[in-house]
Amino acid sequence: KNEVEQSPQNLTAQEGEFITINCSYSVGISALHWLQQHPGGGIVSLFMLSSGKKKHGRLIATINIQEKHSSLHITASHPRDSAVYICAVRGSTLGRLYFGRGTQLTVWP
Amino acid sequence: DGGITQSPKYLFRKEGQNVTLSCEQNLNHDAMYWYRQDPGQGLRLIYYSQIVNDFQKGDIAEGYSVSREKKESFPLTVTSAQKNPTAFYLCASSILGTGTVALGNIQYFGAGTRLSVL
Repeated sequence: KNEVEQSPQNLTAQEGEFITINCSYSVGISALHWLQQHPGGGIVSLFMLSSGKKKHGRLIATINIQEKHSSLHITASHPRDSAVYICAVRGSTLGRLYFGRGTQLTVWP
Repeated sequence: DGGITQSPKYLFRKEGQNVTLSCEQNLNHDAMYWYRQDPGQGLRLIYYSQIVNDFQKGDIAEGYSVSREKKESFPLTVTSAQKNPTAFYLCASSILGTGTVALGNIQYFGAGTRLSVL
Protein backbone atom coordinates (compact mmCIF):
# COMPACT_ATOMS: atom_id res chain seq x y z
CA LYS A 1 0.00 0.00 0.00
CA ASN A 2 1.28 3.44 -0.93
CA GLU A 3 1.93 5.79 1.96
CA VAL A 4 0.36 8.62 -0.07
CA GLU A 5 -2.89 8.32 -2.01
CA GLN A 6 -4.17 10.93 -4.42
CA SER A 7 -7.56 11.37 -6.04
CA PRO A 8 -8.67 11.61 -8.68
CA GLN A 9 -6.05 10.00 -10.92
CA ASN A 10 -7.32 11.97 -13.91
CA LEU A 11 -9.28 15.18 -13.98
CA THR A 12 -10.71 17.07 -16.93
CA ALA A 13 -12.15 20.56 -16.59
CA GLN A 14 -13.39 23.45 -18.67
CA GLU A 15 -11.51 26.71 -18.49
CA GLY A 16 -12.69 28.77 -15.54
CA GLU A 17 -13.79 25.86 -13.39
CA PHE A 18 -12.76 25.41 -9.77
CA ILE A 19 -10.48 22.37 -9.35
CA THR A 20 -9.83 20.26 -6.27
CA ILE A 21 -7.22 17.52 -5.96
CA ASN A 22 -7.08 15.44 -2.80
CA CYS A 23 -4.23 13.77 -0.95
CA SER A 24 -4.42 11.34 1.98
CA TYR A 25 -1.46 9.86 3.78
CA SER A 26 -0.89 7.14 6.31
CA VAL A 27 2.46 8.01 7.90
CA GLY A 28 3.46 10.57 10.49
CA ILE A 29 4.65 13.66 8.71
CA SER A 30 6.37 16.92 9.45
CA ALA A 31 5.37 18.63 6.20
CA LEU A 32 3.51 18.09 2.96
CA HIS A 33 4.52 19.22 -0.52
CA TRP A 34 2.51 19.88 -3.63
CA LEU A 35 4.47 19.61 -6.87
CA GLN A 36 3.64 20.29 -10.50
CA GLN A 37 5.08 18.20 -13.33
CA HIS A 38 4.91 19.68 -16.80
CA PRO A 39 4.43 17.58 -19.94
CA GLY A 40 8.15 17.67 -20.64
CA GLY A 41 8.82 16.06 -17.28
CA GLY A 42 10.24 18.95 -15.24
CA ILE A 43 8.93 19.27 -11.70
CA VAL A 44 8.48 22.45 -9.69
CA SER A 45 7.53 22.83 -6.07
CA LEU A 46 4.25 24.69 -5.53
CA PHE A 47 3.82 24.54 -1.76
CA MET A 48 5.33 23.13 1.38
CA LEU A 49 2.98 23.27 4.35
CA SER A 50 2.70 21.76 7.79
CA SER A 51 -0.58 23.30 8.96
CA GLY A 52 -3.49 25.42 7.84
CA LYS A 53 -3.58 26.95 4.42
CA LYS A 54 -1.31 28.62 1.88
CA LYS A 55 -2.23 30.66 -1.17
CA HIS A 56 -0.21 31.60 -4.20
CA GLY A 57 -2.07 33.33 -6.99
CA ARG A 58 -4.92 31.05 -8.09
CA LEU A 59 -3.56 28.09 -6.14
CA ILE A 60 -4.62 27.26 -2.60
CA ALA A 61 -3.31 24.36 -0.51
CA THR A 62 -4.83 23.21 2.75
CA ILE A 63 -3.86 20.52 5.21
CA ASN A 64 -5.70 18.84 8.08
CA ILE A 65 -3.10 17.07 10.22
CA GLN A 66 -5.68 15.27 12.39
CA GLU A 67 -7.42 13.80 9.36
CA LYS A 68 -4.14 13.22 7.45
CA HIS A 69 -5.54 14.94 4.42
CA SER A 70 -4.58 17.79 2.13
CA SER A 71 -6.28 19.47 -0.81
CA LEU A 72 -4.96 21.54 -3.67
CA HIS A 73 -7.44 23.96 -5.19
CA ILE A 74 -7.13 25.88 -8.43
CA THR A 75 -9.53 28.77 -8.91
CA ALA A 76 -10.48 29.98 -12.39
CA SER A 77 -8.57 27.14 -14.07
CA HIS A 78 -6.74 27.81 -17.31
CA PRO A 79 -5.36 25.50 -20.04
CA ARG A 80 -1.83 26.35 -18.89
CA ASP A 81 -2.68 24.65 -15.57
CA SER A 82 -2.73 21.33 -17.43
CA ALA A 83 -0.06 19.21 -15.77
CA VAL A 84 0.43 16.36 -13.33
CA TYR A 85 0.05 17.44 -9.72
CA ILE A 86 1.95 15.39 -7.17
CA CYS A 87 1.49 15.24 -3.43
CA ALA A 88 4.53 14.30 -1.33
CA VAL A 89 4.87 14.00 2.43
CA ARG A 90 7.95 14.46 4.54
CA GLY A 91 8.22 11.58 6.99
CA SER A 92 8.61 12.70 10.58
CA THR A 93 11.39 10.18 11.32
CA LEU A 94 14.12 10.68 8.72
CA GLY A 95 12.46 13.48 6.83
CA ARG A 96 12.66 11.89 3.39
CA LEU A 97 9.79 12.35 0.94
CA TYR A 98 7.10 9.84 -0.01
CA PHE A 99 5.28 10.58 -3.26
CA GLY A 100 1.74 10.03 -4.47
CA ARG A 101 1.12 8.73 -7.99
CA GLY A 102 -0.01 12.10 -9.24
CA THR A 103 -3.19 13.58 -10.69
CA GLN A 104 -3.26 14.33 -14.40
CA LEU A 105 -5.20 17.57 -14.90
CA THR A 106 -6.37 18.67 -18.34
CA VAL A 107 -8.10 22.02 -18.72
CA TRP A 108 -9.87 22.65 -22.03
CA PRO A 109 -10.41 26.14 -23.43
CA ASP B 1 20.79 31.18 -13.28
CA GLY B 2 20.88 28.71 -10.42
CA GLY B 3 19.43 25.31 -11.03
CA ILE B 4 19.90 21.64 -11.69
CA THR B 5 21.10 20.32 -15.01
CA GLN B 6 20.55 16.74 -16.07
CA SER B 7 22.06 15.24 -19.17
CA PRO B 8 21.42 13.72 -21.54
CA LYS B 9 17.70 14.26 -22.02
CA TYR B 10 17.34 10.91 -23.80
CA LEU B 11 19.58 7.89 -23.38
CA PHE B 12 19.56 4.44 -24.90
CA ARG B 13 21.18 1.41 -23.32
CA LYS B 14 22.23 -1.79 -24.98
CA GLU B 15 22.05 -5.15 -23.24
CA GLY B 16 24.88 -5.63 -20.76
CA GLN B 17 25.93 -2.00 -20.90
CA ASN B 18 26.42 0.41 -18.03
CA VAL B 19 25.25 3.96 -18.63
CA THR B 20 25.78 7.08 -16.53
CA LEU B 21 23.30 9.90 -16.05
CA SER B 22 24.71 13.27 -15.16
CA CYS B 23 23.32 15.66 -12.54
CA GLU B 24 24.92 19.00 -11.72
CA GLN B 25 23.61 21.75 -9.43
CA ASN B 26 24.85 25.27 -8.75
CA LEU B 27 22.47 25.99 -5.90
CA ASN B 28 25.06 25.20 -3.23
CA HIS B 29 22.73 22.52 -1.84
CA ASP B 30 24.16 19.86 0.41
CA ALA B 31 21.58 17.15 -0.31
CA MET B 32 21.05 15.50 -3.66
CA TYR B 33 18.65 12.74 -4.71
CA TRP B 34 17.93 10.38 -7.58
CA TYR B 35 14.39 9.24 -8.30
CA ARG B 36 12.89 6.86 -10.80
CA GLN B 37 9.46 7.52 -12.27
CA ASP B 38 7.42 4.82 -14.02
CA PRO B 39 4.01 5.35 -15.63
CA GLY B 40 1.21 5.30 -13.06
CA GLN B 41 3.61 5.21 -10.12
CA GLY B 42 4.92 7.79 -7.72
CA LEU B 43 8.55 8.81 -7.71
CA ARG B 44 10.73 6.21 -6.03
CA LEU B 45 13.98 7.06 -4.31
CA ILE B 46 17.07 5.32 -5.69
CA TYR B 47 19.92 6.99 -3.78
CA TYR B 48 20.50 10.17 -1.85
CA SER B 49 23.49 12.03 -0.53
CA GLN B 50 23.63 14.52 2.31
CA ILE B 51 27.30 15.38 2.06
CA VAL B 52 30.28 14.96 -0.24
CA ASN B 53 31.76 11.44 -0.26
CA ASP B 54 28.72 9.97 1.46
CA PHE B 55 25.49 8.53 0.06
CA GLN B 56 22.69 6.25 1.18
CA LYS B 57 20.53 3.69 -0.57
CA GLY B 58 16.91 4.55 -1.15
CA ASP B 59 14.05 2.14 -1.77
CA ILE B 60 15.19 0.72 -5.11
CA ALA B 61 19.00 0.95 -5.16
CA GLU B 62 19.65 -2.52 -6.64
CA GLY B 63 21.27 -2.27 -10.05
CA TYR B 64 22.30 1.35 -9.57
CA SER B 65 25.42 3.07 -8.25
CA VAL B 66 26.29 6.67 -7.46
CA SER B 67 29.22 8.83 -6.43
CA ARG B 68 29.47 12.21 -4.74
CA GLU B 69 33.03 13.44 -5.24
CA LYS B 70 31.97 17.07 -5.54
CA LYS B 71 29.17 19.00 -3.90
CA GLU B 72 27.83 20.06 -7.27
CA SER B 73 27.70 16.65 -8.92
CA PHE B 74 25.83 13.42 -8.23
CA PRO B 75 26.05 11.05 -11.23
CA LEU B 76 23.94 7.90 -11.38
CA THR B 77 25.16 4.75 -13.12
CA VAL B 78 22.58 2.26 -14.31
CA THR B 79 24.43 -1.02 -14.35
CA SER B 80 23.78 -4.15 -16.37
CA ALA B 81 22.38 -5.68 -13.17
CA GLN B 82 19.32 -3.41 -13.48
CA LYS B 83 17.09 -5.65 -15.55
CA ASN B 84 14.31 -3.14 -16.15
CA PRO B 85 16.01 0.22 -16.60
CA THR B 86 13.47 1.84 -18.92
CA ALA B 87 12.09 4.79 -16.96
CA PHE B 88 12.25 8.53 -16.44
CA TYR B 89 15.02 9.51 -14.02
CA LEU B 90 14.89 12.69 -12.00
CA CYS B 91 17.63 14.30 -9.98
CA ALA B 92 16.85 16.75 -7.20
CA SER B 93 18.65 18.79 -4.57
CA SER B 94 17.71 20.59 -1.38
CA ILE B 95 19.18 22.40 1.55
CA LEU B 96 19.45 20.24 4.62
CA GLY B 97 17.27 20.72 7.62
CA THR B 98 18.42 19.71 11.07
CA GLY B 99 17.77 16.86 13.44
CA THR B 100 15.26 14.22 12.51
CA VAL B 101 14.00 16.13 9.53
CA ALA B 102 17.34 16.59 7.85
CA LEU B 103 15.92 15.66 4.48
CA GLY B 104 12.64 16.65 2.93
CA ASN B 105 12.97 20.37 2.52
CA ILE B 106 11.77 21.88 -0.72
CA GLN B 107 13.49 19.99 -3.49
CA TYR B 108 14.55 21.49 -6.80
CA PHE B 109 14.32 19.09 -9.70
CA GLY B 110 16.18 18.73 -12.94
CA ALA B 111 14.37 18.26 -16.25
CA GLY B 112 14.93 14.51 -16.20
CA THR B 113 16.53 11.86 -18.37
CA ARG B 114 14.45 9.33 -20.24
CA LEU B 115 16.28 6.02 -20.47
CA SER B 116 15.27 3.31 -22.91
CA VAL B 117 16.69 -0.11 -23.70
CA LEU B 118 17.64 -0.95 -27.28
